Amino acid sequence: GDSVTQMEGPVTLSEEAFLTINCTYTATGYPSLFWYVQYPGEGLQLLLKATKADDKGSNKGFEATYRKETTSFHLEKGSVQVSDSAVYFCALGKGTYKYIFGTGTRLKVLA
Amino acid sequence: DTEVTQTPKHLVMGMTNKKSLKCEQHMGHRAMYWYKQKAKKPPELMFVYSYEKLSINESVPSRFSPECPNSSLLNLHLHALQPEDSALYLCASSQGTSGGNQETQYFGPGTRLLVL
Repeated sequence: GDSVTQMEGPVTLSEEAFLTINCTYTATGYPSLFWYVQYPGEGLQLLLKATKADDKGSNKGFEATYRKETTSFHLEKGSVQVSDSAVYFCALGKGTYKYIFGTGTRLKVLA
Repeated sequence: DTEVTQTPKHLVMGMTNKKSLKCEQHMGHRAMYWYKQKAKKPPELMFVYSYEKLSINESVPSRFSPECPNSSLLNLHLHALQPEDSALYLCASSQGTSGGNQETQYFGPGTRLLVL
């Protein structure tokens, strides 16, 4: 069946370091892919999305490219800030209304 | 504006109480969702409403009763809950008009529920 695999956290980085959070998926068809961020005590915020192969989603300095050949949608940011500390969820769209979420990756950025 | 609001922010209830969670959106979305999220886990889908009709029920116990009074509002009625139902309850909405294509969901801030 369809699934999403995210790298285990927590990921701890110093401010201004380069961030990569890996996300790979297994799916039939051509799903949409999403990254959501959850700050402590809050709901999920859509960070970026891609709807077809080779699409690049970007927002607030974060980027991810939909790679069908490697079934990946890795999240990257060139220079993280303390305010980026949060949990990041990769999600795959299944059908019209369902998401398959990854387990989430906690990011901690130190000043 | 992509705002989904939820009330209350926090709720403490006993196992014999009846309470309701409320969710509202004014984006003209026609699909609305309830999720349950336990600590350090991803959200789990509970219910989906499409055009005010229940479209998906993920085998949720009957002590959780959803209601969609109109296209902007979604309620979750709670009765005789168990301590293991303590969690963050998230509401989400999406356009609901994509004709079968995958929709982007927008989440509210959640209601943190504690059942004693």
